[in-house]
Amino acid sequence: KAGVTQTPRYLIKTRGQQVTLSCSPISGHRSVSWYQQTPGQGLQFLFEYFSETQRNKGNFPGRFSGRQFSNSRSEMNVSTLELGDSALYLCASSLVQDNSPLHFGNGTRLTVT
Amino acid sequence: QQQVKQSPQSLIVQKGGISIINCAYENTAFDYFPWYQQFPGKGPALLIAIRPDVSEKKEGRFTISFNKSAKQFSLHIMDSQPGDSATYFCAATLGGDYKLSFGAGTTVTVRA
Repeated sequence: KAGVTQTPRYLIKTRGQQVTLSCSPISGHRSVSWYQQTPGQGLQFLFEYFSETQRNKGNFPGRFSGRQFSNSRSEMNVSTLELGDSALYLCASSLVQDNSPLHFGNGTRLTVT
Repeated sequence: QQQVKQSPQSLIVQKGGISIINCAYENTAFDYFPWYQQFPGKGPALLIAIRPDVSEKKEGRFTISFNKSAKQFSLHIMDSQPGDSATYFCAATLGGDYKLSFGAGTTVTVRA
């Protein structure tokens, strides 16, 4: 079974631009979560989607948004990029049942210059 | 406010030794405590998880100990191997909630 696929792996953007990251979950997984990983703040929850609906959201500004499609694939968007948005963005998928483990992709490394 | 505190930040252990990582949590409503292992360039991978109705869980060389009254849990890596060199994260969440609160991570280096 293929794992969680994130594209692109690396991205370099300029301050003020916007970016869209893509995530394909494991087949059969209908929940998709996004996390930001930085050396200073560690792993922080961004949001979680199930059945095309955002069910939970972390403490990030409105510049961070996401969506999920009917095939469970998900995208996240960051508008008006800031230098501090440089991070590894991780997508995780899961079955929809209590304590079902999160399966992470290898992330998209975003660098904002 | 960090809901899960993890220590130490890093540790070095000799091959065959025991690595111990400790975590403490604030929210008594948490009821699921997974540990993740991350290698450079890879996403975190679930290692082992525990629920608070169990005081200890063992899977191979990895053991979680859980102390509900102290709101603490720890990971023991027995017979540490060079291939165990990675960053380990503890986490906590409410069952059915996919919002994991992660600890800051512990970088484990196993010397051959």
